[in-house]
Amino acid sequence: DTAVSQTPKYLVTQMGNDKSIKCEQNLGHDTMYWYKQDSKKFLKIMFSYNNKELIINETVPNRFSPKSPDKAHLNLHINSLELGDSAVYFCASSQSRSRGRKETQYFGPGTRLLVL
Amino acid sequence: KNQVEQSPQSLIILEGKNCTLQCNYTVSPFSNLRWYKQDTGRGPVSLTIMTFSENTKSNGRYTATLDADTKQSSLHITASQLSDSASYICVVGPNAGGTSYGKLTFGQGTILTVHP
Repeated sequence: DTAVSQTPKYLVTQMGNDKSIKCEQNLGHDTMYWYKQDSKKFLKIMFSYNNKELIINETVPNRFSPKSPDKAHLNLHINSLELGDSAVYFCASSQSRSRGRKETQYFGPGTRLLVL
Repeated sequence: KNQVEQSPQSLIILEGKNCTLQCNYTVSPFSNLRWYKQDTGRGPVSLTIMTFSENTKSNGRYTATLDADTKQSSLHITASQLSDSASYICVVGPNAGGTSYGKLTFGQGTILTVHP
């Protein structure tokens, strides 16, 4: 009964390849996020969708393209992978219906991407 | 520039002892401060969330304090257990016109190791 799930858990690929990471939440939340955790362990927001609409798009190369087919899914497609894309990517979700300031974000287990 | 700094970077304690982790932030305007626990190889899990009007929040053996004037927070862990070994991340949310879509600033985390 995983609340936020991601696939795959590990992804090893060559430079220049295109890959996708999938995320699904079964919490009925309206808002989903993609974060990148670098080697120094800082988590940084990449994208956020609310009810399938893009609401946060940080300074991320346009090789990264999020896709939200419905509010329970937020996938991340990465084109022309580079060495610097190696990191752990976390999906998260929150219930933003109340637009409160204290909504908890629930994180997935992460996808460990290694670009060779 | 919004920043969140945590200290110490790492901490080793014996099982049963108490410890306190520190967080200083420069995020402005400020809306809320969160503490997350991240076990190795897993996504962060929320421990506490406080708004600027709250100065303490407890969750079991975890007690967070907040001083919005000095922009400092602490997380106190009582009677530590082996399962407390993890990274503890301080996260600050900005006040974005009364709504909060999760544009959070994360600290680097304090790595806590509890030895038997």
